[in-house]
Amino acid sequence: QVQLQQWGAGLLKPSETLSLTCVVSGGPFNNSYWSWIRQPPGKGLEWIGEINHSGSTNYSPSLKSRVIISIDTSKNQFSLKLTSVTAADTAVYYCARVKRFAIDYWGQGTLVTVSS
Amino acid sequence: QSVLTQPPSASGTPGQRVTISCSGSSSNIGSNTVNWYQHLPGTAPKLLIYSNNQRHSGVPDRFSGSKSGTSASLAISGLQSEDEADYYCAAWDDSLNGYVFGTGTEVSV
Repeated sequence: QVQLQQWGAGLLKPSETLSLTCVVSGGPFNNSYWSWIRQPPGKGLEWIGEINHSGSTNYSPSLKSRVIISIDTSKNQFSLKLTSVTAADTAVYYCARVKRFAIDYWGQGTLVTVSS
Repeated sequence: QSVLTQPPSASGTPGQRVTISCSGSSSNIGSNTVNWYQHLPGTAPKLLIYSNNQRHSGVPDRFSGSKSGTSASLAISGLQSEDEADYYCAAWDDSLNGYVFGTGTEVSV
């Protein structure tokens, strides 16, 4: 059973950098895309971006200028950095596995709050 | 802003059938497969349907998906109280080169 466990800082000040990491266990790491998704309070799901084992990435056009997704295949981990955060970036952030364009396994979610 | 449009809410009584629509365009639903997710508050979303109409492992056959042109739909038959949740459609968008979610539909029983 594939499991994703994520962690990172939950409280940030405006202009700081959001940083989250997700470790994958229980399944192959090298034949999937790995993604980040978020849900702001009271709003719907928003795809942030994805990366594969080769480091090839795709990002949401609306976040592309501030997002970096990286991968460490030796640790079965991938990470999200979002720079220059504002209150609009307050959300629950999920890491997830993408298989055949479907997100089939999700992390537990991390609430990130941006507040001065 | 979502490029896939869903009705904000849907409801039914236990045992009834509920259908949720998802409207997109030629760059997403029209040219790629559609997936459906169930999201209960405080938990991670769950994949229900992938590739338009394939049930994910462990998903009851009360859930079914279909696609036609640039629209898709999710049907829940034999509605149960445990089906109260938010439901999202999603697909890859070739113009955005990214994954897009629908606006979400809150189902109440």
